[in-house]
Amino acid sequence: QVQLVQSGPEVKKPGSSVKVSCKASGDIFSDYTFSWVRQTPGRGLEWMGRIIPLIDAANYAQNFQGRVTITADKSTNTAYMELSSLTFEDAAVYYCARGPLGADNYFDSWGRGTLVTVSS
Amino acid sequence: EILMTQSPATLSVSPGERATLSCRASQGVSSDLAWYQQKPGQAPRLLIYGASTRATGVPPRFSGNGSGTEFTLTISSLQSEDFAVYYCQQYHNWPPLTFGPGTKVDIK
Repeated sequence: QVQLVQSGPEVKKPGSSVKVSCKASGDIFSDYTFSWVRQTPGRGLEWMGRIIPLIDAANYAQNFQGRVTITADKSTNTAYMELSSLTFEDAAVYYCARGPLGADNYFDSWGRGTLVTVSS
Repeated sequence: EILMTQSPATLSVSPGERATLSCRASQGVSSDLAWYQQKPGQAPRLLIYGASTRATGVPPRFSGNGSGTEFTLTISSLQSEDFAVYYCQQYHNWPPLTFGPGTKVDIK
């Protein structure tokens, strides 16, 4: 049974950065892709980007390009998402989500989410 | 970017009744469409991928249909645990992967 365990809630100031982790267990880490999806009441579910740990390649949504960095550590089966230059609009629940390798980018397993609060 | 819309925004249904949810894509996405269920305080859960293939462990009362721009998710006989928000997501043309705004299914 796959499990994606995310790091705990964060409180950040505007202009700072946040880094959220997602540790996978129960399956072969490099057999999958890992995306980050955030959720807010106003904007719903937004895909931010994904990483393919097998080849260490990442793709990003244009809306977040330049501000988000997604990495993976195969030695610890952990994916990371770092978002910089935070504004109040970045307050959200951030999910990691696992997808299959290949062309089908749906998400068959999700972490429980990490609440990021942005407050001055 | 492919825009996804869902209707209705809220669907009020009695337990045991049938529910039909709609999802529309702004351009054709073939069958590259997934459906998710989300309950309060929980992460989304994959129900359907490839427009009509049930994910592992999903009960047969959930069925998906459609291709191109028009899709439906049908819950044949609503159980108490099915009251939730349902999202569609396209993965045909990306980045970005895009989600619909959701349909809330609540108790009539």
